Amino acid sequence: KNEVEQSPQNLTAQEGEFITINCSYSVGISALHWLQQHPGGGIVSLFMLSSGKKKHGRLIATINIQEKHSSLHITASHPRDSAVYICAVPTLGGSQGNLIFGKGTKLSVKP
Amino acid sequence: DTAVSQTPKYLVTQMGNDKSIKCEQNLGHDTMYWYKQDSKKFLKIMFSYNNKELIINETVPNRFSPKSPDKAHLNLHINSLELGDSAVYFCASSRLLAGATDTQYFGPGTRLTVL
Repeated sequence: KNEVEQSPQNLTAQEGEFITINCSYSVGISALHWLQQHPGGGIVSLFMLSSGKKKHGRLIATINIQEKHSSLHITASHPRDSAVYICAVPTLGGSQGNLIFGKGTKLSVKP
Repeated sequence: DTAVSQTPKYLVTQMGNDKSIKCEQNLGHDTMYWYKQDSKKFLKIMFSYNNKELIINETVPNRFSPKSPDKAHLNLHINSLELGDSAVYFCASSRLLAGATDTQYFGPGTRLTVL
């Protein structure tokens, strides 16, 4: 079964800073998900990626399949980016199984 | 229009009671899921259904019984509630059966508190 590790667990930044959140997994996969959980509790899918890089606004997600590692970057961070960011991969590797989730990175951006 | 909706948003009940949480999606998706998020905010799959058929049951006690009357609805019934059932329950859906490689859309969550 796949295992997912996220770092850091908690992150505090000043508005405008560049943020990086890391995710490592143990079994090769065909896709990795980044999710955002708002302080109010709602969960939104940010990215699903299988190779290279994806960008949406100030958010950039990268994945290195060989190293089994993905990063989520936030440029010009803003207090509204404060949330928990969660990485998820297929439980059994490849595209098999359901999703197994990391424990999340709690980001707090101060004005 | 809400894509994935859940009711109720909050549920407070006594130990031993039976309760249900309802979920509906209007996205036309084939696959629906129930997730449990515990007090440490750790998300874990409970069930997945594809076109009203159970696909995955991840070692969930049989006090939990999902019911899918049609592919747009997946309800969760819990019998004999225990303190450890207190959590936030999220419903989600995806277009494809292979949810691990398809974007999932989450409901707002139901916070269950068992006293």
